[in-house]
Formats: sequence, structure tokens, C-alpha cells
Amino acid sequence: QKEVEQNSGPLSVPEGAIASLNCTYSDRGSQSFFWYRQYSGKSPELIMSIYSNGDKEDGRFTAQLNKASQYVSLLIRDSQPSDSATYLCAVNENSGYALNFGKGTSLLVTP
Amino acid sequence: SQTIHQWPATLVQPVGSPLSLECTVEGTSNPNLYWYRQAAGRGLQLLFYSVGIGQISSEVPQNLSASRPQDRQFILSSKKLLLSDSGFYLCAWGLVGDTQYFGPGTRLTVL
Repeated sequence: QKEVEQNSGPLSVPEGAIASLNCTYSDRGSQSFFWYRQYSGKSPELIMSIYSNGDKEDGRFTAQLNKASQYVSLLIRDSQPSDSATYLCAVNENSGYALNFGKGTSLLVTP
Repeated sequence: SQTIHQWPATLVQPVGSPLSLECTVEGTSNPNLYWYRQAAGRGLQLLFYSVGIGQISSEVPQNLSASRPQDRQFILSSKKLLLSDSGFYLCAWGLVGDTQYFGPGTRLTVL
């Protein structure tokens, strides 16, 4: 069973701090990696996609990918209370049709 | 821009009743379409995907079925609902090996 693992949390950080969310995956053939944010009761919305090793920055968000270690992370700088949500890591395996999702990490940003 | 619609938003159904959930996509042609279910405390589970009209692939054997009668319409059905069918049903569209975009979801409660 190919798996995507995330710490369920909750991860609690103070407002203005950096939140670091981590994800590991089991399939070495994985090609595409995604971070989604899901507010309670709402559907997931895409934050970032990353395809190559290294960092990719978009505003306050930075995705980091290390294929050798099978590890992808999301950093949120200057965390805001509005960032409080569940963050889902998703992996596409071998350019197949499906995304394999982790169970998500709950983030709480406290004022 | 692309828009994805789902209805109804919420649904309460008795055990043994039928189900029909509908999803439509605007602003794109021949999209790959997906049905996911998110049960309480669990991750996103891919149920079905479709790469074209009349083409349905099932990921998880269960009492649900899917159909794609038109290019941008995807329907999830059941003849007899079970308690275990309760959950948050999400339709998504996307490209092979790439990002998937989710609709607003249908919250189904089976009593």
C-alpha cells in the first residue's frame, strides 16, 4: 500500500511565527506533489504544487521537496490566525490519474 | 476560468434509500473528473475517476456507482445507502499527473 504520511497534530504556533508542516511518501516513482488547505466544513483548496527538488516560494508559503529522502514540507511564514486549518499533502504516483492524500495536519495559529 | 459545481450541499437520507449526487464543470473541455469521500477522522478516499464520457474507473469496491453522461457532468449514485456511506463527498477535476481542483462538496448523513 503506497502511503502518504503526515503528523495529525494539532500543531500550535503563535501569530507571526513560522509553521512547518511535513509529509513523507512511500512511492519513489512519485512525480508531483501538492499542498492543499482545508478549513473546517469546506473543501480542500490548492496552496502549492512542486515537481522538482528544492524550494518553491509563493508569498508567505514555501514548499520544499527532497525526492531522495521522500520528503515534502510546507513552511508558512508570518503565520496568521486565518491560516488555522488542516493542511493536506498529496502525491501523484508515476503520473497516474489519482492523487494519494495524507490524512492532514491540523494547524492552529494563536493570537 | 474553471468552475466546479456540486449539489446538493447537504443531504440526510435513511438507510436503504437511493442516492444521486451531481457534479458539473464549467470552463474546460474533456476534463478528468474524480469522486472522493472524506469520512470523519479519515483522509480523502478516491472512489471513481473518469477520463471521458462513459469511461469510469472504480478504485474502491462498494455499493456506489458513477456515471459520466456528458463531458462535464459526473454523477455518483447508490441504489441502497448504508450507514457507512455517510461522509463528505467531493468532486474534482484535473489533468493527468497534475493538480486537482475540488468542488464545494456534499455532506451526506445516512440515518
